[in-house]
Amino acid sequence: DQQVKQNSPSLSVQEGRISILNCDYTNSMFDYFLWYKKYPAEGPTFLISISSIKDKNEDGRFTVFLNKSAKHLSLHIVPSQPGDSAVYFCAASGNNDMRFGAGTRLTVKP
Amino acid sequence: DTGVSQDPRHKITKRGQNVTFRCDPISEHNRLYWYRQTLGQGPEFLTYFQNEAQLEKSRLLSDRFSAERPKGSFSTLEIQRTEQGDSAMYLCASSLVGGTGVFGELFFGEGSRLTVL
Repeated sequence: DQQVKQNSPSLSVQEGRISILNCDYTNSMFDYFLWYKKYPAEGPTFLISISSIKDKNEDGRFTVFLNKSAKHLSLHIVPSQPGDSAVYFCAASGNNDMRFGAGTRLTVKP
Repeated sequence: DTGVSQDPRHKITKRGQNVTFRCDPISEHNRLYWYRQTLGQGPEFLTYFQNEAQLEKSRLLSDRFSAERPKGSFSTLEIQRTEQGDSAMYLCASSLVGGTGVFGELFFGEGSRLTVL
């Protein structure tokens, strides 16, 4: 029962360009969406979030967009930097638990 | 603030043995979560505590799994009669609900990797 899906297991972009990571969800009860970043041998760390009452949230180089009607959210990183290379997990919360997607491995090439 | 700590970081055991993992959350956090992550997958929810009360358990948490948070501080996750399918990274996370900060943000530990031979 995959309620949160990240259909691209990997993404490779050139340094300085935009990275766009996508996520789809199925449960309309989710009301809060988050992106986590994970480096090897570390736990996921919170990156940015968005409430279901908004359609955009920006924090420096990171912007999350939410399209509720399509049950879709995306994370834009611009400009991408080599240090952004990591696995990015999309997460959705509601009813006191949080569901994660399978992750997208982002590689930013110098 | 020392963050969420988990112990041990890696456990290798033989099938049929019992294992126990410990999680120490961020001290002022009232919620504690356990997740399991296998290769190529995102974290899967197992259970969570609000203070010492276990409020929700996933159907993934079979009767061989038990979690406790006796005093509302640290938590333990025990797996009895381990099976090879239990091999995974077990992640603990904590959050503060009802306080300031980003609602729903979980702070994760580095995880405890279990290998069942």
